Amino acid sequence: NAGVMQNPRHLVRRRGQEARLRCSPVKGHSHVYWYRQLPEEGLKFMVYLQKENIIDESGMPKERFSAEFPKEGPSILRIQQVVRGDSAAYFCASSPPAGTHSGGSYNEQFFGPGTRLTVL
Amino acid sequence: AQKITQTQPGMFVQEKEAVTLDCTYDTSDPSYGLFWYKQPSSGEMIFLIYQGSYDQQNATEGRYSLNFQKARKSANLVISASQLGDSAMYFCAMTLYNAGNNRKLIWGLGTSLAVNP
Repeated sequence: NAGVMQNPRHLVRRRGQEARLRCSPVKGHSHVYWYRQLPEEGLKFMVYLQKENIIDESGMPKERFSAEFPKEGPSILRIQQVVRGDSAAYFCASSPPAGTHSGGSYNEQFFGPGTRLTVL
Repeated sequence: AQKITQTQPGMFVQEKEAVTLDCTYDTSDPSYGLFWYKQPSSGEMIFLIYQGSYDQQNATEGRYSLNFQKARKSANLVISASQLGDSAMYFCAMTLYNAGNNRKLIWGLGTSLAVNP
């Protein structure tokens, strides 16, 4: 029963360091979404990736943030030179290609447990 | 612009009673989907229920039902027979079906539900 896996679950960084967040989608899912949840707020879309392609990065900050989803291995969200305002929960979600049934809701995204980033 | 509004920051309900969590949405696209997710204090996001804009009937999943009123652009979540384990944050979200395979979700700010024994 391998759902979406994210690691680490908790990450502490000092200002100026780099943060690397990993997401392994559900087996067979080729679409990955990253969302950020600031304290006391809802989730905000950051980026949508398919294998080896960034499809929509309209929610990504212009600087310091990057994402990839290589042909092999997990999707990575990378934050360079972290600042205190980057402290948040980062969620990854995966889905099969649109138009396919996933066993649950037709268009459901499966969420990982999140990575809680704290910047000191 | 697309938007989800949840006007109830916090709600209380007595155990075993029903509760309605409000959600209104704004889009000019005719094809969209609406979701409700639960986020307990442990932090994970749990999918509850889905409603498509062309679905003729209101969605139901066990104790959860979605009161979909398309003309009013509302998609309220009804939880029947509340349980203590229902205490959590509840988020309403929307996706549009106008952009190929992109199913990014637009989220409301959430409603915190507390179930009293």
